[in-house]
Amino acid sequence: IQMTQSPSSLSASVGERVTITCRASQDISYSLAWYQQKPGQAPNLLIFGASNLQTGVPSRFSGTASGTDFTLTISSLHPEDFATYYCLQAHSFPLTFGGGTKVEIK
Amino acid sequence: EVQLLESGGDLVQPGGSLRLSCAGSGFMFSSSDMGWVRQAPGKGLEWVSGVSAGGGAKYYADSVKGRFTISRDNSKNTLYLQINGLRADDTAVYYCVKTSRDSYGYMQSWGQGTLVTVSS
Repeated sequence: IQMTQSPSSLSASVGERVTITCRASQDISYSLAWYQQKPGQAPNLLIFGASNLQTGVPSRFSGTASGTDFTLTISSLHPEDFATYYCLQAHSFPLTFGGGTKVEIK
Repeated sequence: EVQLLESGGDLVQPGGSLRLSCAGSGFMFSSSDMGWVRQAPGKGLEWVSGVSAGGGAKYYADSVKGRFTISRDNSKNTLYLQINGLRADDTAVYYCVKTSRDSYGYMQSWGQGTLVTVSS
């Protein structure tokens, strides 16, 4: 299953609303996770099951699903949110990540 | 607190072998599905392998099938990745992950990673 993530990068300001999209090449139901990775650090699970917030993740992060399209939204960008974000399909093996979206400061 | 500590990364010649280890603590290791994810320098994430809590079910990425073997020793709270036939494109940081009971794709905890470099 191929995961097409867009955009590959974006520039945004603190306080802006940011949306990142992943499209699956076939039906994966709601078996999708979102990860955040900051430079020099291991990734961190943000959302699982397409829309469920992992414990400890701020509520400004949210996930939605529509068919094979999945969206990660950051409602109001905080300084600590500048990072690279990845989607992952967890529906079937081999598991596959999207290419990543780097969120940079405008 | 969940802790995952990888070790075993090294500089290896093409065709060589390596065994990575991951020591888990702060959770019920023997009840947890586990896995490996890698990241080539400056590149994205790639899922490598997963293993069930008891070790009976194992899964691999197509790119490593037949060369990599995942295993675990629950008496030692340790996960392993045996890597054979190393190639230049295996150069990466290898992360050990603890996954959710619901899915191997929901990786709740990550180690700090261990670097494997394949070069002559």
